[in-house]
Amino acid sequence: SQELEQSPQSLIVQEGKNLTINCTSSKTLYGLYWYKQKYGEGLIFLMMLQKGGEEKSHEKITAKLDEKKQQSSLHITASQPSHAGIYLCGADGRNTDKLIFGTGTRLQVFP
Amino acid sequence: DSGVTQTPKHLITATGQRVTLRCSPRSGDLSVYWYQQSLDQGLQFLIQYYNGEERAKGNILERFSAQQFPDLHSELNLSSLELGDSALYFCASNGGSRLNTEAFFGQGTRLTVV
Repeated sequence: SQELEQSPQSLIVQEGKNLTINCTSSKTLYGLYWYKQKYGEGLIFLMMLQKGGEEKSHEKITAKLDEKKQQSSLHITASQPSHAGIYLCGADGRNTDKLIFGTGTRLQVFP
Repeated sequence: DSGVTQTPKHLITATGQRVTLRCSPRSGDLSVYWYQQSLDQGLQFLIQYYNGEERAKGNILERFSAQQFPDLHSELNLSSLELGDSALYFCASNGGSRLNTEAFFGQGTRLTVV
């Protein structure tokens, strides 16, 4: 079965700093989703990537999909306290409707 | 507001009991996904329904079952509860049978088994 591994597991950065979160799949990626979760709350959809080399941005968050490497990265520029939370990558396989999630990256941003 | 409604928000029950969690998907969404989130297991996919039929199954225990009704709302039934079943249970919905669009998540039901 497909597994998603995220790194780092936890990240503490100072406000204004840039950061990158990685998501690596054990199998070929056909659709990669990034979600953000505030502790104990529901997941908020950030972006979806479907094609190798695809890159999308939303405000100060950019996500890229490297299909060959079966990997996606999420980059936050000039981080703010509002970016704090748990970032989860999700993926679905070619022949399955399952949406599985990575282990999550807990981000803390301090002033 | 994602448009996905889960009830109840909190649930405290004793071991051995049975509970039902309810999910109302976004208007028009045919697919409902159930997830369990615990501290040590992360977000685990349980089961998916599409237009009333089971579509995909994940790590769902035999003590757990789900169904989707004609009005598209879904229920997750958890029986013979154990302490380890304490977790956040989320449901998500999207419009298609395939996950080619984003899924919208509810706020979750926090289940505590004592």
